Amino acid sequence: QVQLLQSGAEVKKPGASVKVSCRASGYTFIGYYIHWVRQAPGQGLEWMGWINPNSGATNSAQKFQGRVTMTKDTSVNSVYMELNSLRSDDTAVYYCARIVVDVDSGWFDPWGQGTLVTVSS
Amino acid sequence: DIQMTQSPSSLSASVGDRVTITCRASQTISTSLNWYQQKPGKAPKLLIYAASSLPSGVPSRFSGSGSGTDFSLTISSLQPEDFATYYCQQTYSSPLTFGGGTKVEIK
Repeated sequence: QVQLLQSGAEVKKPGASVKVSCRASGYTFIGYYIHWVRQAPGQGLEWMGWINPNSGATNSAQKFQGRVTMTKDTSVNSVYMELNSLRSDDTAVYYCARIVVDVDSGWFDPWGQGTLVTVSS
Repeated sequence: DIQMTQSPSSLSASVGDRVTITCRASQTISTSLNWYQQKPGKAPKLLIYAASSLPSGVPSRFSGSGSGTDFSLTISSLQPEDFATYYCQQTYSSPLTFGGGTKVEIK
């Protein structure tokens, strides 16, 4: 079945970087964009950006521009999200999600299981 | 950016109740509106896409409606497994945005 499997939890110090992986299975990897969404503890969902696993093109929310890098490795059907200059308010669960697109709409299905990133000194 | 406003932010209901959650967009988004269900410690799960379409495997007690700026999610008869948080999302334009969530609790 279609699945996204993310890397495990991370603990980082302020100012450090974190790289989260998301491995796809059960479908044609290069056929669907992957988006990243994060959720701070007890909070709602915040969209971060997307990557085209075919071309490697990316787009990120203005809030994260200059601090986030999204990459892909088609040999292992994986995409990666690296966030730099971590702060305590970057503590969150980070999700990858495949977007399915129809004529004039798109939706996230499925989502990865999530990766908890804790930023603490 | 398109702002998505969900209401209520939380509600208490009993098993068997009919529940409706609304989502309003700050500008028209056609039918580019999705609903997700999230249970504690779990990833969100797609519930309704393109405003009113039900994915395979989602029970028919869930339904969605609306277009333009006003949307709703209805659970026709609340079941124990439906107690969760529900989010709307617009994919009409970037940046993609989510509503603040509606937590459905047991009365």
